[in-house]
Amino acid sequence: QVTLRESGPALVKPTQTLTLTCTFSGFSLITPGMSVGWIRQPPGKALEWLARIDWDDDKYYSPSLKTRLTISKDTSKNQVVLTMTNMDPVDTATYYCARLNNPPGAFDVWGQGTKVSVSS
Amino acid sequence: EVVLTQSPGTLSLSPGERASLSCRASQSVSSSNLAWYQQKPGQAPRLLIYFASARATGIPDRFSGSGSGTDFTLTISRLEPEDSAVYYCQQYGTSPKYTFGQGTKLEIK
Repeated sequence: QVTLRESGPALVKPTQTLTLTCTFSGFSLITPGMSVGWIRQPPGKALEWLARIDWDDDKYYSPSLKTRLTISKDTSKNQVVLTMTNMDPVDTATYYCARLNNPPGAFDVWGQGTKVSVSS
Repeated sequence: EVVLTQSPGTLSLSPGERASLSCRASQSVSSSNLAWYQQKPGQAPRLLIYFASARATGIPDRFSGSGSGTDFTLTISRLEPEDSAVYYCQQYGTSPKYTFGQGTKLEIK
């Protein structure tokens, strides 16, 4: 059974750096073609893709957030970490990690999400 | 950048009816790169359709996807109360880059 679980702080202050961890099981990020992505959703709003890391350590970022994001993986721990710098109240959202496999070439299994609020 | 526009914003139908949800792209999208997700309140999205028309694992055949180019449709036949949710289309572009539509809220009366 494939599962993903996000963890991180529920509250961060403006200008701080957010660090989120995605711990997964049921698949390996050393399998060719496998990827993990991060997606966020502000309250009542649509989904927004943030970043993706591939089995071969290739990394991709949303162009609008590229300068603030860093994604990395620890295959020995089955974890993917996302950091976002210079947090702002507009970054308040639920952050999801999800597996990307091909097929289907889409996010086929999602974590339950972690809510992050940005407030002083 | 490809923009996905979903319509209608809200759809209210009765059990047993058929729902047609539209997703229009601002430029042509490869059918291989178009997916649909269902999101119920308080839950994570769930993959329904990939490659524009292929059902994901465990998705009932009441859900079907179609379309090509800039126009894509998610059809849900024989609506059930548990189909109440927000539905998102998503495309995968070059770079790579993933774009989601703004969602269609489906209400089952």
